[in-house]
Amino acid sequence: DADVTQTPRNRITKTGKRIMLECSQTKGHDRMYWYRQDPGLGLRLIYYSFDVKDINKGEISDGYSVSRQAQAKFSLSLESAIPNQTAFYFCATAPATSGTDTQYFGPGTRLTVL
Amino acid sequence: DQQVKQNSPSLSVQEGRISILNCDYTNSMFDYFLWYKKYPAEGPTFLISISSIKDKNEDGRFTVFLNKSAKHLSLHIVPSQPGDSAVYFCAASGAGNNRKLIWGLGTSLAVNP
Repeated sequence: DADVTQTPRNRITKTGKRIMLECSQTKGHDRMYWYRQDPGLGLRLIYYSFDVKDINKGEISDGYSVSRQAQAKFSLSLESAIPNQTAFYFCATAPATSGTDTQYFGPGTRLTVL
Repeated sequence: DQQVKQNSPSLSVQEGRISILNCDYTNSMFDYFLWYKKYPAEGPTFLISISSIKDKNEDGRFTVFLNKSAKHLSLHIVPSQPGDSAVYFCAASGAGNNRKLIWGLGTSLAVNP
């Protein structure tokens, strides 16, 4: 079984629609992250959470919101999707104190906004 | 301004030969460096890392070298195999950026049979 799962894996939606991407983990990690990947732009951090009561903006948070429902669940919402939010979205987790900063990624969601 | 740079967007090598992927950084406060491997339509997978107190870390066919004075690190894959064909990302972290990972743009490696 995968340690970090994302649903849906693939989603096509229309401009203006609200959409939620979900991430669950069984690794027991406190820290969770949402990234976006566009071709040629690498990985860009959207939001991150160090525990259930902690939410922080990343470098590209505009147009997105998150919810940390539990230690194991971290959801990303697009309140009103627009075409330039078409991208791959990845969730990642990390232990609070590992001394390595290693993050572990889910398989990703391919989102297309028409 | 990119703090982590991978200046080669792509690299092609023959099977069995050495692959060398390079990464430069600008922030001297970075104290931990990681390499990730990514196949199409999959999430990045952690490959190998190195602390700034070391200059080399080896794990099987993969070795990472760190040159702090030059703010440069490299990933060596020996011998290269067709299954190594993927995009490789370099990332760095430090206390100054709340231990978030700062990512390079990636290098696409093609290992030809």
